[in-house]
Amino acid sequence: QAGLTQPPSLSKGLRQTATLTCTGNSNNVGNQGAAWLQQHQAHPPKLLSHRDNNRPSGISERFSASRSGNTASLTISGLQPEDEADYYCSAWDSSLSAWVFGGGTKLTVL
Amino acid sequence: EVQLVESGGGLIQPGGSLRLSCAASEFTISDNYMSWVRQAPGKGLDWVSVIFRGGNTYYADSVKGRFTISRDNSKNTLYLQMNSLRADDTAVYYCARDDGRYWGQGTLVTVSS
Repeated sequence: QAGLTQPPSLSKGLRQTATLTCTGNSNNVGNQGAAWLQQHQAHPPKLLSHRDNNRPSGISERFSASRSGNTASLTISGLQPEDEADYYCSAWDSSLSAWVFGGGTKLTVL
Repeated sequence: EVQLVESGGGLIQPGGSLRLSCAASEFTISDNYMSWVRQAPGKGLDWVSVIFRGGNTYYADSVKGRFTISRDNSKNTLYLQMNSLRADDTAVYYCARDDGRYWGQGTLVTVSS
């Protein structure tokens, strides 16, 4: 099944703002939005944003999700060392009847 | 506190079978949709299967016909029956609730002779 497209890597400086993107199509991201997950090495993923762009309780306001057409974005402001992680987007594809994931973006905080 | 605890992973020969379990606590699995997601060593997240509240099930093409997702409401436990296992099924298998609000710690499945 075709997945969502994410840039493989992004590097930003401490306290800067990073914007991660996730591109799909009208059957997935464009239809129902995308969730965003953060994963640190050897840990399970953690949900940062629901598909409706709302943050789960306990997630910092520094994480903000949005969508424009078939592209979802996650903006992380005031980058901290602990933000260095892999970030994944996911969406339900109504045409495939399948969840699809992006390949992940490895964020490096310099 | 919501918890998901996977078990049942291990080393299995190609062609073999395993059943993974995901025991849930502090919520009712049949009131939510539950997924299995796997991650091969050094790779990204790979969706495997989902069971919706009404019982509808869906599978990734790579596992269709070989894996079966199910749940036991009386035990509040999710299962993944994996048959005809192949080397490329080697991964950490996670269960997750809804769009990923909660995840288990994962269980490692290694398919190797």
